[in-house]
Amino acid sequence: SAVISQKPSRDICQRGTSLTIQCQVDSQVTMMFWYRQQPGQSLTLIATANQGSEATYESGFVIDKFPISRPNLTFSTLTVSNMSPEDSSIYLCSVGGISGANVLTFGAGSRLTVL
Amino acid sequence: DQQVKQNSPSLSVQEGRISILNCDYTNSMFDYFLWYKKYPAEGPTFLISISSIKDKNEDGRFTVFLNKSAKHLSLHIVPSQPGDSAVYFCAASGTGNTGKLIFGQGTTLQVKP
Repeated sequence: SAVISQKPSRDICQRGTSLTIQCQVDSQVTMMFWYRQQPGQSLTLIATANQGSEATYESGFVIDKFPISRPNLTFSTLTVSNMSPEDSSIYLCSVGGISGANVLTFGAGSRLTVL
Repeated sequence: DQQVKQNSPSLSVQEGRISILNCDYTNSMFDYFLWYKKYPAEGPTFLISISSIKDKNEDGRFTVFLNKSAKHLSLHIVPSQPGDSAVYFCAASGTGNTGKLIFGQGTTLQVKP
């Protein structure tokens, strides 16, 4: 399965600032997915990032708050904009597997704490 | 509206015994179910899956059972080992390889030596 590297692994941010999370995959993939896990909650899909097109956002998530870039088939970024304490979460990058896009491989996640 | 639920936040079992983790879902359109394991500071790791056309899938010590009429699935780990101590997430998806998984809240399993 693919190996995914995420940066930063964790960060403490001030309210009102923005932070960009980077996701690097060791192989070319068509679709990359960004998930969020709020404290004590399940993982929730934020958006699907396709190379060469706009990201597709799930209900409740908007591009102004979570802009995504996908410049090539191995890299994507997620920005969390104008952060508030409610954005304190683990943000996870993932890609589909050989046996099907729904068997996802996840990165280690980026734990953001917003003060 | 929580479409996938894991009602037990935690489970503790003795090494060598069976661990049974449960998951309920509400959407009858789900056709693929997965279990993920997560260690602290790591991302979730795929463990085992089952298609809705089956009622059982086995992989070594791990077996997943699906009861469609009850909208219930379970993960059995036999025998349990201390290294199995982790958070286990149940997830479901609809038709098509969309990459959209609906996850449960997770169950923390502790296997005592």
